[in-house]
Parts: sequence; C-alpha cells; structure tokens
Amino acid sequence: AQSVTQLDSQVPVFEEAPVELRCNYSSSVSVYLFWYVQYPNQGLQLLLKYLSGSTLVKGINGFEAEFNKSQTSFHLRKPSVHISDTAEYFCAVSAAGYSSASKIIFGSGTRLSIRP
Amino acid sequence: EAGVVQSPRYKIIEKKQPVAFWCNPISGHNTLYWYLQNLGQGPELLIRYENEEAVDDSQLPKDRFSAERLKGVDSTLKIQPAELGDSAVYLCASSLVGEQYFGPGTRLTVT
Repeated sequence: AQSVTQLDSQVPVFEEAPVELRCNYSSSVSVYLFWYVQYPNQGLQLLLKYLSGSTLVKGINGFEAEFNKSQTSFHLRKPSVHISDTAEYFCAVSAAGYSSASKIIFGSGTRLSIRP
Repeated sequence: EAGVVQSPRYKIIEKKQPVAFWCNPISGHNTLYWYLQNLGQGPELLIRYENEEAVDDSQLPKDRFSAERLKGVDSTLKIQPAELGDSAVYLCASSLVGEQYFGPGTRLTVT
C-alpha cells in the first residue's frame, strides 16, 4: 500500500517570494506521483505528475517538482509566487502501472497563503 | 470540452433524510470515481467504476451509501439516512488513461 505525508498544513509566503511545499511518500513498489491544486469551492486540478524519466517535472502556472527516490520525496516549488496561487495543494501517490494509477492516495493538503 | 459536471453544488438537509448527488463525466471517460473530502483533508475514494461495473467499493459505507452508474455514463451517489458526520464535500472525477479530472463537488451540510 502507498501513503503520502505533507509536512506542512499551512505555508504563508510573501508575494514574489519563492516557495517549497514538502511531500514524502511511502511505498514498497514503484510509484507515480502527483500534485493537485484546489481553489476555493472548486474541484482539484492537476498541476504536474511524475510517471517516469526525468526526475524534474515542470507543470502549469510555473510550478515544478523533483522526484527524489532515495529520500522518497516529491517537493513542489515555485520561484516567485503570486496572489492567485493562494489555494490548497495536495500531493498524491499511486502504484505505477495503468490499472494501479486508478487508485490515487492523497495527502492531507497544504494551504498556501500569499501575503501582499 | 466540457468538464465533469456535478449537481447540486450545495445541499442542506436534516439528519435522517435521504440525499442524492449526480455526476456527468467527461465524454468518453470510462472510469468514474466518487470521493469524500472532509474539511481540511484530502479526498478519500468511496467507489470507482470501470464503465458500469463497480471495481473498487471497499471504502463505501454500504449500510447507508449506495451508488449506481447505469449505462456506464452518468452516476448517482445516494445517502440514506444521512448523519451529521456525513457533512463534507463529495467529489466526482473521471479518467480515460491515467489522469483524473475532477468536478467542482457537492457540499453537503447535515443539520
């Protein structure tokens, strides 16, 4: 079985500052990793995903994440945040493989709040 | 392309009443999911359909929750009777290959 831990429940950041949202996972098999964003009163939107290949993954809205197998981490980063990035961010994991990817386990979320 | 549609967006009911949520997935997506999202938590899978077959319903509380996906397209999730602890957001998602697309959710408040 897989599990995911988001180490920070809330991250306050000033506008235009860099940010890192931390995520660690646990799995006995190869994994797929995801970051989703949820704006207030909306569903989840995929920011980026790691399936295989390059460990540095670039997503939408200027976000990127790096898969670190030895540290079992998949931290999300953005070099300069905007007010519009204020949202809840969820890290998620699934076992690798098409059918397994249908079962995604979500972390508890990190609320990113941007201060002007 | 239209996204995943859910209705209603908000529902307030008294405990012990029944309630139903409806989901229309993205056209052509054969996999449909229902998730429960409690306040301050990530989504938790309730049930997953492959076409009209429920292939994973291990987390669905079957004493009060039921779901159906007739004809392998739209789906309905029902709670009967609702309890105070059922207050949450119910999310529907669909996928074709891998990536899941989420609807806006239905926020249920049980009083």
